[in-house]
Amino acid sequence: SQQGEEDPQALSIQEGENATMNCSYKTSINNLQWYRQNSGRGLVHLILIRSNEREKHSGRLRVTLDTSKKSSSLLITASRAADTASYFCATDEGGGNKLTFGTGTQLKVEL
Amino acid sequence: DGGITQSPKYLFRKEGQNVTLSCEQNLNHDAMYWYRQDPGQGLRLIYYSQIVNDFQKGDIAEGYSVSREKKESFPLTVTSAQKNPTAFYLCASSRTTGSASEQYFGPGTRLTVT
Repeated sequence: SQQGEEDPQALSIQEGENATMNCSYKTSINNLQWYRQNSGRGLVHLILIRSNEREKHSGRLRVTLDTSKKSSSLLITASRAADTASYFCATDEGGGNKLTFGTGTQLKVEL
Repeated sequence: DGGITQSPKYLFRKEGQNVTLSCEQNLNHDAMYWYRQDPGQGLRLIYYSQIVNDFQKGDIAEGYSVSREKKESFPLTVTSAQKNPTAFYLCASSRTTGSASEQYFGPGTRLTVT
């Protein structure tokens, strides 16, 4: 089962603009993670936010978590062409050391 | 170099044949995972293992089998019983902690069955 639903499914922006993608989930979670996938490659972990945290930053990334709305957002500031990739949220529902991945947002950053 | 290796990168098989995908890690992680990804889709969990000689079914285990005889290795066999085996297969590993921690992914194996 896929817990997370990302929105939008696809996003196209110009270099230098900010990109925001959202993730909604259904059940309570221990933590939520964001991953990036370049075309045809494995996923790379970006950031983890715990259920008792509301906001986290890492470089140009800002993640928020609203457990009352069961949603999270990933903001990439000052985007670059190299940010072009698919971005997935993944939730830890507490059933052991496993994650449930969402459907992903395809981000395209144009020069 | 520490990381996860998957081989081969591309694999072609005829329908009705079993095929085994390799996954090796040198990160000293206890937990390993197999996911399937179809075009434009997210990842679906096939099997996972939290410790050597133990593994659990994920959401789509039917038609697949795994073994975990060594900490470093978690091979996945796609059997002829899997109705739609053509997909991109990703292996991952992680530390085992109180909650799910960061997963490290291999580069993937693209399996085509005709």
